[in-house]
Amino acid sequence: QTVVTQEPSFSVSPGGTVTLTCGLSSGSVSTSYYPSWYQQTPGQAPRTLISGTHTRSPGVPDRFSGSILGNKAALTITGAQADDESDFYCVLYLGSGISVFGGGTKLTVL
Amino acid sequence: QLQLQESGPGLVRPSETLSLTCTVSGGSIRSSRYYWGWIRQPPGKGLEWIGTIYYSGSTYYSPSLKSRVTISVDTSKNQFSLKLYSVTAADTAVYYCAMWGEKNCFDSWGQGTLVTVSS
Repeated sequence: QTVVTQEPSFSVSPGGTVTLTCGLSSGSVSTSYYPSWYQQTPGQAPRTLISGTHTRSPGVPDRFSGSILGNKAALTITGAQADDESDFYCVLYLGSGISVFGGGTKLTVL
Repeated sequence: QLQLQESGPGLVRPSETLSLTCTVSGGSIRSSRYYWGWIRQPPGKGLEWIGTIYYSGSTYYSPSLKSRVTISVDTSKNQFSLKLYSVTAADTAVYYCAMWGEKNCFDSWGQGTLVTVSS
């Protein structure tokens, strides 16, 4: 079974830059997997940040950017703010209607 | 702007069937642009894709849940539904419905509903 991997946790200083990654247990992530990224704060539904590797959803600040780095999808936050502290999830589309969530990354801003 | 709202019992007995409905407003569930999905999140854990349906009735399920899940659509009511059979405490989770759109992502989400499996 395909497993989508994310760093369990990450820490960044206010104003700093952090890159979260989204990989596959076997193989490389490419744009063909249409990587998407979601932000979730406690008690809230996820918010869609990025679709199709790098397209920001309406209203998402441009400090959030998506890319492919090496063999993984990546979410980079430039100029982190205190309210960026949340959980971040990636989704990869495997084809044939199948989507898989990564385990999520808990981001701490301190 | 599409809006989605989950509804259904908040408590289900072990071994019984969990049934939830998602009502879509602000757009038609019959749109060829959208697929409709269910995602769940156990307390303190990550998100898990359950399955997706197209308005025509075509369904796609997570391999790990496929044997216990049915997703259906009622276009006359602009709703789609989830049934999860033979539930255990491990199925306790917040269940979200969501729209998978042309951007190939879950683009709109319901607020989620907590379902507890307990006797």
